Amino acid sequence: GQSLEQPSEVTAVEGAIVQINCTYQTSGFYGLSWYQQHDGGAPTFLSYNALDGLEETGRFSSFLSRSDSYGYLLLQELQMKDSASYFCAVREITGGGNKLTFGTGTQLKVEL
Amino acid sequence: GAVVSQHPSWVICKSGTSVKIECRSLDFQATTMFWYRQFPKQSLMLMATSNEGSKATYEQGVEKDKFLINHASLTLSTLTVTSAHPEDSSFYICSATNSATGVHYEQYFGPGTRLTVT
Repeated sequence: GQSLEQPSEVTAVEGAIVQINCTYQTSGFYGLSWYQQHDGGAPTFLSYNALDGLEETGRFSSFLSRSDSYGYLLLQELQMKDSASYFCAVREITGGGNKLTFGTGTQLKVEL
Repeated sequence: GAVVSQHPSWVICKSGTSVKIECRSLDFQATTMFWYRQFPKQSLMLMATSNEGSKATYEQGVEKDKFLINHASLTLSTLTVTSAHPEDSSFYICSATNSATGVHYEQYFGPGTRLTVT
């Protein structure tokens, strides 16, 4: 089966840098995505890594090590609006096509 | 661009009745749509993959006769919860990939439907 583990909660102060880790065990791995979800809202896409290394998109960066089955999301210059849940998700190719399996989610709290 | 809508945004129904939830891609065509269920403070659990013009692919443990999925056009997929029970109360979210871009790793999510079964 598939499993993705993330820390349940992370707290940081405004302006700081925070890293959210994700370890996974899955078959048919094709890539690792990150999504942000505010309370009661829709998940929104942040980044995607198919190859090892770091992808940078503004204040957000994402890293993947396929050999270690590990990735992380790095958020810099934290703002209050970054308080949300963050999910890693493994993209798998199956008989039905592409699908995402989501991690357990990390609740990020940004404080003043 | 890449907006997905869901209707209704919330619904309350009585136990034993059926509820239909619509998922629409407003400004793009979606060959594939996905249906998820999310309980409070928990992750998104994929229920099924909906392919336009063909039968949906259900995840293990999801009853296909209880959660009926129809994807009759490139912009609309529906999920019908039949004979709903209180344990079906949850947040149902759909997502879609943009067929035209060929980018399959990015899913666009709808705002979700809060279902409460009394």
